[in-house]
Amino acid sequence: QQQVKQSPQSLIVQKGGISIINCAYENTAFDYFPWYQQFPGKGPALLIAIRPDVSEKKEGRFTISFNKSAKQFSLHIMDSQPGDSATYFCAASVSGNTPLVFGKGTRLSVIA
Amino acid sequence: NAGVTQTPKFQVLKTGQSMTLQCAQDMNHEYMSWYRQDPGMGLRLIHYSVGAGITDQGEVPNGYNVSRSTTEDFPLRLLSAAPSQTSVYFCATSVRRETEAFFGQGTRLTVV
Repeated sequence: QQQVKQSPQSLIVQKGGISIINCAYENTAFDYFPWYQQFPGKGPALLIAIRPDVSEKKEGRFTISFNKSAKQFSLHIMDSQPGDSATYFCAASVSGNTPLVFGKGTRLSVIA
Repeated sequence: NAGVTQTPKFQVLKTGQSMTLQCAQDMNHEYMSWYRQDPGMGLRLIHYSVGAGITDQGEVPNGYNVSRSTTEDFPLRLLSAAPSQTSVYFCATSVRRETEAFFGQGTRLTVV
């Protein structure tokens, strides 16, 4: 059973547009929701994370929106740039309990 | 500080051979883990350790062994390599199992 379902699998966005990646989860005990960014040939790196006590967190052009009742969270990349082209992974965990579980990833291509 | 160092970066094995993937960290993190990354499958947890002398299985542990004799090192052993183990392997560390994970650069393994 996949604990975190991520969509879409791939995404092509025009430069300056908004990229949106969605994740859904089943385990209501999850209380930490990070997003990781991975460039080709590199390991994933933490981009931004949220806990369920807030509905939105923004860092620069990157925003996480969190909907606890729907058990969904999403990553929005505003003013997308070619340098944002990478694979993005959502993840979730339970504090003091479970290791991070990852979604299957979204390959984002930002074209000029 | 080097962070998380994985060796080798690339490896080709013949079916049935054994080998050890090395992971070393200088971040003094208690928690270490191994993931494999396959196209369309995301990051799947193989084994993890919450501290020296303690290891546990993740989602896909079959065919792999680990040990943790020191805080710094967490090697992953393939006992008898199979083509299904062709993958990119990532080692990660964190303060706790559910917090930000710092990944190494990965080891690309091909089993022929």
